[in-house]
Amino acid sequence: QKEVEQNSGPLSVPEGAIASLNCTYSDRVSQSFFWYRQYSGKSPELIMSIYSNGDKEDGRFTAQLNKASQYVSLLIRDSQPSDSATYLCAVIDNYGQNFVFGPGTRLSVLP
Amino acid sequence: EAGVVQSPRYKIIEKKQPVAFWCNPISGHNTLYWYLQNLGQGPELLIRYENEEAVDDSQLPKDRFSAERLKGVDSTLKIQPAELGDSAVYLCASSLGLSSGGITDTQYFGPGTRLTVL
Repeated sequence: QKEVEQNSGPLSVPEGAIASLNCTYSDRVSQSFFWYRQYSGKSPELIMSIYSNGDKEDGRFTAQLNKASQYVSLLIRDSQPSDSATYLCAVIDNYGQNFVFGPGTRLSVLP
Repeated sequence: EAGVVQSPRYKIIEKKQPVAFWCNPISGHNTLYWYLQNLGQGPELLIRYENEEAVDDSQLPKDRFSAERLKGVDSTLKIQPAELGDSAVYLCASSLGLSSGGITDTQYFGPGTRLTVL
């Protein structure tokens, strides 16, 4: 059974700070990794995907992947109150094309 | 481009009643997913379709849940009879699918149906 773990939070950071969200996964054959943002009462929306070891930057967001350590993270720079949401880590393998979601980390950015 | 459409958005029923949810995926998306999401948890896959074929229904409680995607486009998820523990948000998602040729298959979610079983 593949597992994806996240700290449930809440993670509170002041406005303008860097928020760091972490995710670990158990399946070594996992190939693709996704970060979704979910506002309360809304459906998940894709923020970033990452497939190779290293960093991937998109605006204020940076995803970091370390397959050897089975670890993926999301950094949010210059955090804004509008970033307050639950962030879901999702992992997919190249066999079944099935996403396994973590439980999510709730982020609160304080003005 | 229209996103994934789901209906109804909300449903309140009494236990032991049947209920059905409908999903229309993004045009051209071959893969369709049904997820269940409980409060404070991530989505859990119920069933995945590639076109009209259910390729993974291992997590679908088949004693009371059923799903269909007859023409490889719209899909319906049914619960009969509903139980108190079925109260959750039911999410539908779609993606281009394996025919897109790679592992970069992004899923797009619909707004979900919030089911309350009394």
